[in-house]
Amino acid sequence: NAGVMQNPRHLVRRRGQEARLRCSPMKGHSHVYWYRQLPEEGLKFMVYLQKENIIDESGMPKERFSAEFPKEGPSILRIQQVVRGDSAAYFCASSPTAYGTEAFFGQGTRLTVV
Amino acid sequence: DQQVKQNSPSLSVQEGRISILNCDYTNSMFDYFLWYKKYPAEGPTFLISISSIKDKNEDGRFTVFLNKSAKHLSLHIVPSQPGDSAVYFCAVTTSGTYKYIFGTGTRLKVLA
Repeated sequence: NAGVMQNPRHLVRRRGQEARLRCSPMKGHSHVYWYRQLPEEGLKFMVYLQKENIIDESGMPKERFSAEFPKEGPSILRIQQVVRGDSAAYFCASSPTAYGTEAFFGQGTRLTVV
Repeated sequence: DQQVKQNSPSLSVQEGRISILNCDYTNSMFDYFLWYKKYPAEGPTFLISISSIKDKNEDGRFTVFLNKSAKHLSLHIVPSQPGDSAVYFCAVTTSGTYKYIFGTGTRLKVLA
């Protein structure tokens, strides 16, 4: 049973470009969460999605960031017109239900904006 | 305003000794608490958790203690091993949701 898969592992973008980060949850998991870790900080919640629905996006910046989890395929975190401050590690987690014990995290995508 | 604090950014412990990592939180509404371990360039890995109805949970070498009145939890690792060297994050949540609030982490180094 594969774990949470994120790709790419590393992504370099120039300022103003778009970044697309992908997350395939564990098999049987229909709940996906995105977290961001800035340098020297803890992980910060961004968004919670179920298939085709955004449940909680209270941690998402209001502009340039969007997320989706289509019926088929991985969840996508999209950052438009990236700026240097978007450089961070982005982690995806998944769970089989909305409530439970621990969430399972992927290995993350490290985004560097140059 | 940090709701979850890990006041020790780093900790060094001799192999075989006890490692104690601490975490403080501000909101008494939090009722579920977790510890994750993270190696460089990897995602967080779940270690151990505790519900607010308990004050202790043990799993092998790892024990988590919860002091609700002090809003404090701690992770004890005994005996510590070099492979335990990693960054440890505490996380809190309410009502079993997965919307975690993480601390800033403590880097543990276990010296052989």
